[in-house]
Amino acid sequence: DAGVIQSPRHEVTEMGQEVTLRCKPISGHDYLFWYRQTMMRGLELLIYFNNNVPIDDSGMPEDRFSAKMPNASFSTLKIQPSEPRDSAVYFCASRADRDEAFFGQGTRLTVV
Amino acid sequence: DAKTTQPPSMDCAEGRAANLPCNHSTISGNEYVYWYRQIHSQGPQYIIHGLKNNETNEMASLIITEDRKSSTLILPHATLRDTAVYYCIVRPGYSGYSTLTFGKGTMLLVSP
Repeated sequence: DAGVIQSPRHEVTEMGQEVTLRCKPISGHDYLFWYRQTMMRGLELLIYFNNNVPIDDSGMPEDRFSAKMPNASFSTLKIQPSEPRDSAVYFCASRADRDEAFFGQGTRLTVV
Repeated sequence: DAKTTQPPSMDCAEGRAANLPCNHSTISGNEYVYWYRQIHSQGPQYIIHGLKNNETNEMASLIITEDRKSSTLILPHATLRDTAVYYCIVRPGYSGYSTLTFGKGTMLLVSP
């Protein structure tokens, strides 16, 4: 398995634009997590899914953020409209039940 | 509330053992101790986990005190590639819904 795959690896966008981050989890994993990492706040859990259903989105900072998991092999994190303070590295992770989590390489988002 | 306490940074000479401590004095009986590391510009990587017995795998050893209030991650022969931020995390093992909450970790610098 190629591991958790995120795209794009880098994204630069202008303030106010819509940004969509994508994640393909490891096949057979039924949990998917979205994290955000900044120097100030470290690694923060934004939302996670179990069997494609959102379980806890209490970490999503604002209504500008939304996440979907239309099927077991794909998830998106969307920011609309984007703001400079959204600049961060966004990680996707997946795991099987009670197993260890595997992280993707992350998407570095810069909003100018 | 921080559930774990780690030193912010440690140094280690290449080839020597790196011993990374973690305090988790409020750990519950059903909580496991997990260790992850994050090499610069990469996603976090699982290292090892344990409940109360010492554990060893190809990457490291985990020593948990008898009262389970602290643990030590041991990298027996540190290499330059082990330079990373190491996170100690406690997490309930009974529920797949439990998530990883990352603190600030320990920045381990391995020098030649």
